[in-house]
Amino acid sequence: DIQMTQSPSSLSASVGDRVTITCRASQSISTYLNWYQQKPGKAPNLLIFAASTLQSGVPSRFSGTGSGTDFTLTISSLQPEDFATYYCQQSYTTLYTFGQGTKLEIK
Amino acid sequence: QVQLQESGPGLMKPSQTLSLTCTVSGGSISSGGYYWSWIRQHPGKGLEWIGYIYYSGSTYYNPSLKSRVTMSVDTSKNQFSLKLSSVTAADTAVYYCARLGTTGSQPIDHWGQGTLVAVSS
Repeated sequence: DIQMTQSPSSLSASVGDRVTITCRASQSISTYLNWYQQKPGKAPNLLIFAASTLQSGVPSRFSGTGSGTDFTLTISSLQPEDFATYYCQQSYTTLYTFGQGTKLEIK
Repeated sequence: QVQLQESGPGLMKPSQTLSLTCTVSGGSISSGGYYWSWIRQHPGKGLEWIGYIYYSGSTYYNPSLKSRVTMSVDTSKNQFSLKLSSVTAADTAVYYCARLGTTGSQPIDHWGQGTLVAVSS
């Protein structure tokens, strides 16, 4: 199995801050990497696919970079609605796996 | 707009077989181009892939659950289903049905709202 490790596991930030979340794969996954946002009691929501392509309707303050084993999700200027848990997910192998999540909290 | 809705029992006893159905609206399962999937989330935890099914009936299951999982599709009802046998408390989770693409990074672009299944004696 490909292990996906996110850092940090939790993060406190303020509205307007620039925030970066990292996801590392246990082996190279090219750009077969997707990012999701999940709010309490809700299903995850696709933000970015193929490492850097913004899903339709997602604000442009979200961006993704990376390839191989190291990936980042950046929120350029935090908005109140961005406080949530973020997951990365690899689809390089058929056994898709998710990172453990990064909980973004209000400072 | 495609929508997915899970249905099934909320409470089960150990050793029973969990059966969940996902009804898809706003799009046809049989049109192809997507895998139809089940994903679960243990309380307060991360996401676990259970498997997926294509409209043709071909499947892929997570090896860790494969011995207990069966998925099926009913294109006439635009539904797909999950059966998980011999459940234990460790199967208590929110179960999501979802749609993912068959090409590229295969993102999961539509999710059901999720249904909580609790296993308790």
